[in-house]
Amino acid sequence: DAGVIQSPRHEVTEMGQEVTLRCKPISGHDYLFWYRQTMMRGLELLIYFNNNVPIDDSGMPEDRFSAKMPNASFSTLKIQPSEPRDSAVYFCASGLARTGPNEKLFFGSGTQLSVL
Amino acid sequence: RKEVEQDPGPFNVPEGATVAFNCTYSNSASQSFFWYRQDCRKEPKLLMSVYSSGNEDGRFTAQLNRASQYISLLIRDSKLSDSATYLCVVSTNTGNQFYFGTGTSLTVIP
Repeated sequence: DAGVIQSPRHEVTEMGQEVTLRCKPISGHDYLFWYRQTMMRGLELLIYFNNNVPIDDSGMPEDRFSAKMPNASFSTLKIQPSEPRDSAVYFCASGLARTGPNEKLFFGSGTQLSVL
Repeated sequence: RKEVEQDPGPFNVPEGATVAFNCTYSNSASQSFFWYRQDCRKEPKLLMSVYSSGNEDGRFTAQLNRASQYISLLIRDSKLSDSATYLCVVSTNTGNQFYFGTGTSLTVIP
């Protein structure tokens, strides 16, 4: 399996522009998570899906952020309009519906977003 | 209050040293516990799960103290390749949410 695939790896954009980040989870995984990582705040959970349904989006900073999962193999995180404070590394992760020590998250390589 | 708190370090230790990291969590209903490792500019990867009775994987030992709500990671005989950020992760069964600490930075010095 190719693992979790994210695109693009790097995105540089100007303030006010729309940004779309993409994620392809590992086939068969029924959970998908979007995280944002900054030096100051570490890894923050933005939103997660179970079987393509958003379960908890309380981590989404504000209405400028939106996420979709139209099918089991694809998810997007959109920021519109983008602001400099959105600059961070955005990770997508997927996992199986297990509980206990056998839970495991598989992360994509991340998207480094810079908003100028 | 944050769900998971860690000492950010940095920890700078010589090769061969033993180093320990602690992490505390706030939700007493937390069910699953993990240590992830993150190399510079890379994604986090699972290092080991933490079992209630404690568990060992080679030079790495993880412990859980539910009464005090803390988790520890002990690394013996540190190697240069152990240099990374170690993330404490806690999960609740209600909703399968994973909460990450901000990480503890370790540098092993030759």
